[in-house]
Amino acid sequence: DAMVIQNPRYQVTQFGKPVTLSCSQTLNHNVMYWYQQKSSQAPKLLFHYYDKDFNNEADTPDNFQSRRPNTSFCFLDIRSPGLGDAAMYLCATSITGNRKEQFFGPGTRLTVL
Amino acid sequence: AQTVTQSQPEMSVQEAETVTLSCTYDTSESDYYLFWYKQPPSRQMILVIRQEAYKQQNATENRFSVNFQKAAKSFSLKISDSQLGDAAMYFCAYKAGNMLTFGGGTRLMVKP
Repeated sequence: DAMVIQNPRYQVTQFGKPVTLSCSQTLNHNVMYWYQQKSSQAPKLLFHYYDKDFNNEADTPDNFQSRRPNTSFCFLDIRSPGLGDAAMYLCATSITGNRKEQFFGPGTRLTVL
Repeated sequence: AQTVTQSQPEMSVQEAETVTLSCTYDTSESDYYLFWYKQPPSRQMILVIRQEAYKQQNATENRFSVNFQKAAKSFSLKISDSQLGDAAMYFCAYKAGNMLTFGGGTRLMVKP
């Protein structure tokens, strides 16, 4: 089945130690998104790629970076995780256009010790 | 900027009964789509139902239906014959272009 895959599902890191979360998709969608979701809250968009074009949200901290080496893969790099960065990180994909919903991966739960 | 408001942080329904989750939004766009997403505990967010703003007819997917009132900018979700598996966070979302704007979510509990 075509899907959005996130690895790992659970990630533990230490305060200040860089961490990378990965997302891959078999849907061949041209738009990929990274969201941060804290407990019982709505997902908060960090950035998205429209094809190779990177679009950062204005309030996304500089600590968060992203790479998209090809259509299928997208990475979220957290350069110096703080305790406040502990959250669920969701990857989503879509095709350009209003009617096209976003398809979400299962998420990576990040713990910062 | 678009905003989406879900005024019910939590709702509870008895199994087999019907429940309605509320959602309002604010936009100046004329072409947009509205979605309800379901996020079960520790599980993946999935699409429940979609409504095109240009369509007057309310969308229906099995036990799930919407009441779309465009002039009032209201988009409620009705779940009929509620099942234990319906227990989840439900997010209303607005989409124009590539961006989704989420409401704050409603936690639905289903009592056996």
